[in-house]
Amino acid sequence: GENVEQHPSTLSVQEGDSAVIKCTYSDSASNYFPWYKQELGKRPQLIIDIRSNVGEKKDQRIAVTLNKTAKHFSLHITETQPEDSAVYFCAAREGGSYIPTFGRGTSLIVHP
Amino acid sequence: SQTIHQWPATLVQPVGSPLSLECTVEGTSNPNLYWYRQAAGRGLQLLFYSVGIGQISSEVPQNLSASRPQDRQFILSSKKLLLSDSGFYLCAWGQGAMSTEAFFGQGTRLTVV
Repeated sequence: GENVEQHPSTLSVQEGDSAVIKCTYSDSASNYFPWYKQELGKRPQLIIDIRSNVGEKKDQRIAVTLNKTAKHFSLHITETQPEDSAVYFCAAREGGSYIPTFGRGTSLIVHP
Repeated sequence: SQTIHQWPATLVQPVGSPLSLECTVEGTSNPNLYWYRQAAGRGLQLLFYSVGIGQISSEVPQNLSASRPQDRQFILSSKKLLLSDSGFYLCAWGQGAMSTEAFFGQGTRLTVV
């Protein structure tokens, strides 16, 4: 089955800096890669996703890149703000699979 | 639009007591349904998933069970809770076998005392 590794487990940055979270996956058949943000005590919510036919996707301060050959994808947050502080999860899902496989999460702390 | 409801939001139960958490989805039919547990505020551990009424797949041997009595209802149960069952339980749904996002319920904070 799919295995998703996520790094780092904790990331501390100053407001305005950029933050990068990296994930690797094992199943070359995976073709959908969502990122979720979970604020303290709340549900995870999708913030951005990318499919395997695209190498990069951007939405305002958030971007995701995908390298299919190396089987890794990354979340980039620019101009970080305190409200970006949360746990971020990457996931990978194979087309035809019912189950997304999640990374273990990255706790992002943005210091004012 | 689709919505997912999960209750209760918080629950404190004594060791050895039973558990029943309920999740319902509105605005869609034949969803895939999932129960996750999140311990220590971090990783999402898949407990059960269901692709149809009465169809339950267990990912991890647990002191827990799941049932899907109706198309849009998913229930997580235990006959006798253990201290180690404490955690944040999340129900989620997704659509079909296509690669799409999972939508999470608000979660239930379970504390076993």
